[in-house]
Amino acid sequence: KAGVTQTPRYLIKTRGQQVTLSCSPISGHRSVSWYQQTPGQGLQFLFEYFSETQRNKGNFPGRFSGRQFSNSRSEMNVSTLELGDSALYLCASSRGIFNAGHDRSNYGYTFGSGTRLTVV
Amino acid sequence: AQSVAQPEDQVNVAEGNPLTVKCTYSVSGNPYLFWYVQYPNRGLQFLLKYITGDNLVKGSYGFEAEFNKSQTSFHLKKPSALVSDSALYFCAVRPDRGSTLGRLYFGRGTQLTVWP
Repeated sequence: KAGVTQTPRYLIKTRGQQVTLSCSPISGHRSVSWYQQTPGQGLQFLFEYFSETQRNKGNFPGRFSGRQFSNSRSEMNVSTLELGDSALYLCASSRGIFNAGHDRSNYGYTFGSGTRLTVV
Repeated sequence: AQSVAQPEDQVNVAEGNPLTVKCTYSVSGNPYLFWYVQYPNRGLQFLLKYITGDNLVKGSYGFEAEFNKSQTSFHLKKPSALVSDSALYFCAVRPDRGSTLGRLYFGRGTQLTVWP
């Protein structure tokens, strides 16, 4: 089956611009999470969506936002880009959100290849 | 607070020798532990996970990891390293309770280099 698809693979933007990244999860997966990877900060959690609702949010400024559509595809948007936003943005899909029970079908994440954003 | 430590930034090993990449964690409740591998300009590829059960977990490409609850460790191992194993390895933990139970916490990564 097809994996997690992220588009575009590469982006170059200018400071002050905004950008939208897209993630299509594995068919049947309803949860999408976003992570930012930089050499300095490593992998940091941005947010998680399930059934078009944001379920969890990391410690990023309000310039970072996201949404999820009824087909589970997700977009993240970064407004007023700064040089420090240059990073690899990774999307991960999962069958469902984790619950406090032992539904082990929800525990795995599959990552996409990422979008490399460069802000100049 | 949840955290993952990978104490070695780099691990170098000769091809054919055993390799170990270390990981320790701190998490509320029971840990769900993962290892991922990343090749240059690529996303993360899943290697293996520990949810519950046997402490020795076998994963992809001949890798295995041992969960040690008392030492809060989850070291990645392989009996015989290949040059193609050279990559960046990440350990991650997912809490099973609390407001952050949906997210993965990653270590800083360990660059594994296998010399021919």
